[in-house]
Amino acid sequence: GAVVSQHPSWVICKSGTSVKIECRSLDFQATTMFWYRQFPKQSLMLMATSNEGSKATYEQGVEKDKFLINHASLTLSTLTVTSAHPEDSSFYICSARVRNTEAFFGQGTRLTVV
Amino acid sequence: QKEVEQNSGPLSVPEGAIASLNCTYSDRGSQSFFWYRQYSGKSPELIMSIYSNGDKEDGRFTAQLNKASQYVSLLIRDSQPSDSATYLCAVNQAGTALIFGKGTTLSVSS
Repeated sequence: GAVVSQHPSWVICKSGTSVKIECRSLDFQATTMFWYRQFPKQSLMLMATSNEGSKATYEQGVEKDKFLINHASLTLSTLTVTSAHPEDSSFYICSARVRNTEAFFGQGTRLTVV
Repeated sequence: QKEVEQNSGPLSVPEGAIASLNCTYSDRGSQSFFWYRQYSGKSPELIMSIYSNGDKEDGRFTAQLNKASQYVSLLIRDSQPSDSATYLCAVNQAGTALIFGKGTTLSVSS
């Protein structure tokens, strides 16, 4: 399957700081990438859909000014958690679509805000 | 509200048995159906995709889709302890994001 690389795999930051997570499609061009968040023992919750060259579409209840998404190229999307707080601690996962069918996931980023 | 429902489990089966995982979805417009496996602390891994009614087999895995009943299932034959994980059902329409169920935890005992 297609390879999606996500970095970093884990990060610990202080409350009030910002964290950037990168998602790259390594062997294909992804016009659309998706960002999910997963709390312990919960399912993946879609946060936003990221389209190359345009503004991201956020799901209801997700603060777009807090979770900044940039999709500057066909192989890179970034999620920046601004002014992070302990309640933002979660597992963040990106995915990219291939041929409008299967979605392949990055390795995920474990964010811990202290 | 588009929903995907799964029994959270845990589903416990002995090694070598058949594990049966079920999923229902609310959006009749759904066109693509997927099963992902997720180990604790890891991101989901695609196991099976199915797009038309009937069965699709891949090794020990068989996906079954019934669009009239809005039902999709995954059968795992000859279950192994390494199959112990959470299995996520996901559905979508073309061009949209996947909507995931909460997952079913499978435990295969040796």
